[in-house]
Amino acid sequence: GENVEQHPSTLSVQEGDSAVIKCTYSDSASNYFPWYKQELGKGPQLIIDIRSNVGEKKDQRIAVTLNKTAKHFSLHITETQPEDSAVYFCAALAYSGAGSYQLTFGKGTKLSVIP
Amino acid sequence: GAVVSQHPSRVICKSGTSVKIECRSLDFQATTMFWYRQFPKKSLMLMATSNEGSKATYEQGVEKDKFLINHASLTLSTLTVTSAHPEDSSFYICSARDRGLDQPQHFGDGTRLSIL
Repeated sequence: GENVEQHPSTLSVQEGDSAVIKCTYSDSASNYFPWYKQELGKGPQLIIDIRSNVGEKKDQRIAVTLNKTAKHFSLHITETQPEDSAVYFCAALAYSGAGSYQLTFGKGTKLSVIP
Repeated sequence: GAVVSQHPSRVICKSGTSVKIECRSLDFQATTMFWYRQFPKKSLMLMATSNEGSKATYEQGVEKDKFLINHASLTLSTLTVTSAHPEDSSFYICSARDRGLDQPQHFGDGTRLSIL
């Protein structure tokens, strides 16, 4: 089955600096890669996603890049703000059998933005 | 944007009680819903996948008689933790996906279950 590795597990940056979180996946058939932000005591919130037919996608201060050959994708947050502090999860959508597809998540990155 | 509503947000009850958690998709029809469990400072662990009108598919190690899932309509799925014990205490999160494999998956805000 799919395996997703996420690094780093914790990341501290100064306000205004950029943050980069990286993920690798194992199943070359995976073709959809979402990123979620989870604040304390809440459910994950989808912040950006990318499909395998594109290499990069941007939404204001957030961007995601995908390298299908190397099987890795990254989240880039520019001009970080204290409200960006949260746990971020990457995921990959893969076939799980019996006609079912499911997301496999990385272990998460706790981002702390220091004012 | 797509919204998934989950209730209750927190439950505290005595051991042996059964607890029902509801998950609703508010502005789309969720043909597939997922139930996850999350331990402190850990990632999301998929418990089961349910498709509207059919039985849920449980992940290995998840007791189907302990965690009853019903997905009777395109907008509602329920998870019932039967005869809950302290070890069932956890953060349970539901998720829903619209028709079509290429649709994003959205999450509810979770239910903090505490069994005394």
